[in-house]
Amino acid sequence: AQKVTQAQTEISVVEKEDVTLDCVYETRDTTYYLFWYKQPPSGELVFLIRRNSFDEQNEISGRYSWNFQKSTSSFNFTITASQVVDSAVYFCALSEAHDSGGGADGLTFGKGTHLIIQP
Amino acid sequence: DVKVTQSSRYLVKRTGEKVFLECVQDMDHENMFWYRQDPGLGLRLIYFSYDVKMKEKGDIPEGYSVSREKKERFSLILESASTNQTSMYLCASSLLRRDTGELFFGEGSRLTVL
Repeated sequence: AQKVTQAQTEISVVEKEDVTLDCVYETRDTTYYLFWYKQPPSGELVFLIRRNSFDEQNEISGRYSWNFQKSTSSFNFTITASQVVDSAVYFCALSEAHDSGGGADGLTFGKGTHLIIQP
Repeated sequence: DVKVTQSSRYLVKRTGEKVFLECVQDMDHENMFWYRQDPGLGLRLIYFSYDVKMKEKGDIPEGYSVSREKKERFSLILESASTNQTSMYLCASSLLRRDTGELFFGEGSRLTVL
């Protein structure tokens, strides 16, 4: 069974600090996908990134970066120079790609990390 | 842009009532999903559908049913609402059956069962 663990329930930092959100996953599949979503106070989840299990290259998008390490089953998310607008709940998620033709079975989400950026 | 629209942002129902939560997506996506979100539990998959009239149980289907009569519409039904079904319900869609693409979410429907 697949599982996603976000051990940090809540993180509070002061604006302009860097912050890393941890994500550890469990899966028996060799092919899988990892995601990060942001849920601002308005409630609608916003897609941030998707990574497949064969691509361990780290990714940077502006102030956001992701560190994927298969050896530790982790997919951590770092925000550099945080801003108040980054305040949200962040979810890490996992989907396995089944042999039957693709992983359309939905994502397994972690419990989320509530990030608070104080001005 | 993909738009996933949930019919009601807030609902208040009484125990035993039948509840319909409607979701419509406008981008011809094959897959549609219903999740519920509860504090400390994250998002849990209730049901999903990868085609018209097709449905699959997720992790917590008990007490729920779904209907997908048209490709763009996916309804979640609570046959007899109970207080433990008070929650935020999120609908999502994704493009292709054979691809694990990103999910597009609606704004959510917050249901309170009294």
